[in-house]
Amino acid sequence: EVQLLESGGGLVQPGGSLRLSCAASGFTFSSFAMNWVRQAPGKGLEWVSLIGGSGGNIYYADSVKGRFTISRDNSKNTLYLQMNSLRADDTAVYYCAKVLLGTHYYFDYWGQGTMVTVSS
Amino acid sequence: EIVMTQSPATLSVSPGERATLSCRASQSVSSNLAWYQQKPGQAPRLLIYGASTRATGIPARFSGSGSGTEFTLTISSLQSEDFAVYYCQQYNNWSWTFGQGTKVEIK
Repeated sequence: EVQLLESGGGLVQPGGSLRLSCAASGFTFSSFAMNWVRQAPGKGLEWVSLIGGSGGNIYYADSVKGRFTISRDNSKNTLYLQMNSLRADDTAVYYCAKVLLGTHYYFDYWGQGTMVTVSS
Repeated sequence: EIVMTQSPATLSVSPGERATLSCRASQSVSSNLAWYQQKPGQAPRLLIYGASTRATGIPARFSGSGSGTEFTLTISSLQSEDFAVYYCQQYNNWSWTFGQGTKVEIK
């Protein structure tokens, strides 16, 4: 059974940093690209970043480019998101999501999310 | 960036009735479109991908159609567990965007 478990969320001041983790199990982690998708309170979904299975092919949404860094450790089956220079509009639930087998277009498994609150 | 626009924002439907949700892309996304269902406090669930292919375990009452810029999700006979928010999502050139969602509520 595929499982994705995010951690690392919390309250941080504007301008601060936070690192999110996503522990994966139930599939061959290194064979799949992984994503971060966020959802502000009461709002819709926003794709944040993708990383390829080997750690190459990294992409970011314009809203986080230059501030967030996605990475992965395939030996630990773990995905990361380093978030720097955080702003109030980064407040959201952050989900990690696995791509569907055979394509990077869609997300077939999601974690339950970790809440990030940026506030003074 | 491709903008996805969903309509209506809220759809009030009685159990057993048919629900039709629309999604429009600001430019063609071919058939690179998915639909997700999200219930309160839960993560999204993939329903449809490639515009019309049901994901694993998704009941046949869910169907998707369309290509280019106009897409439709149809729920043929709403069950109690189908009341939720539905999002469309497109992929194009290493960019993924979602619609703002349609809430399907009990009439």
